[in-house]
Amino acid sequence: EAGVTQFPSHSVIEKGQTVTLRCDPISGHDNLYWYRRVMGKEIKFLLHFVKESKQDESGMPNNRFLAERTGGTYSTLKVQPAELEDSGVYFCASSQLRWEGNIYNEQFFGPGTRLTVL
Amino acid sequence: AQSVTQLGSHVSVSEGALVLLRCNYSSSVPPYLFWYVQYPNQGLQLLLKYTSAATLVKGINGFEAEFKKSETSFHLTKPSAHMSDAAEYFCAVSPWNQGGKLIFGQGTELSVKP
Repeated sequence: EAGVTQFPSHSVIEKGQTVTLRCDPISGHDNLYWYRRVMGKEIKFLLHFVKESKQDESGMPNNRFLAERTGGTYSTLKVQPAELEDSGVYFCASSQLRWEGNIYNEQFFGPGTRLTVL
Repeated sequence: AQSVTQLGSHVSVSEGALVLLRCNYSSSVPPYLFWYVQYPNQGLQLLLKYTSAATLVKGINGFEAEFKKSETSFHLTKPSAHMSDAAEYFCAVSPWNQGGKLIFGQGTELSVKP
């Protein structure tokens, strides 16, 4: 079974440009999460999809970030326009089933996309 | 807000020595707790998890962790380090009823000397 995949693995762009990151979750996983790790800091939650719906986007830094999940399959995270502080590694994770309050569903992580904004 | 603190951003041990990676969490209600490992150029991999069952949790690759509510700790141990254990380790919590999102500690880079 294929794991979570992310594309591209690396992206180098200039400040003010637009970048779109893609995540393909494990087939059948309804939950999809985006996280980000800025250099030297902890991995931080960005948002959570359940199928195509945004369940929690409390971690999105600002309105320059737009996440979508068309048809409840793959997801994209667009940064427009990119700023220097957006540099970091963006992780995607997916999990099976819906959160039921007290049942944990293991999240499977992709390898991440390393974004560098110059 | 809940938080996770990992003591030591870098830990170095000799091969065969005990591995101890420290993790403390802040929560009035014991959350779900996890340890993840990241090898170079790979995604995070779940080592073990605590979900309110046994307080001593055994994971993959010989790692285990003990949940201590009185100390709000969830330290990761391995009796004998192997060169292949060199990686970055993350402690994380998943708060109740928050959709399963994870709150991570800062990470600890483990080096293993021959």
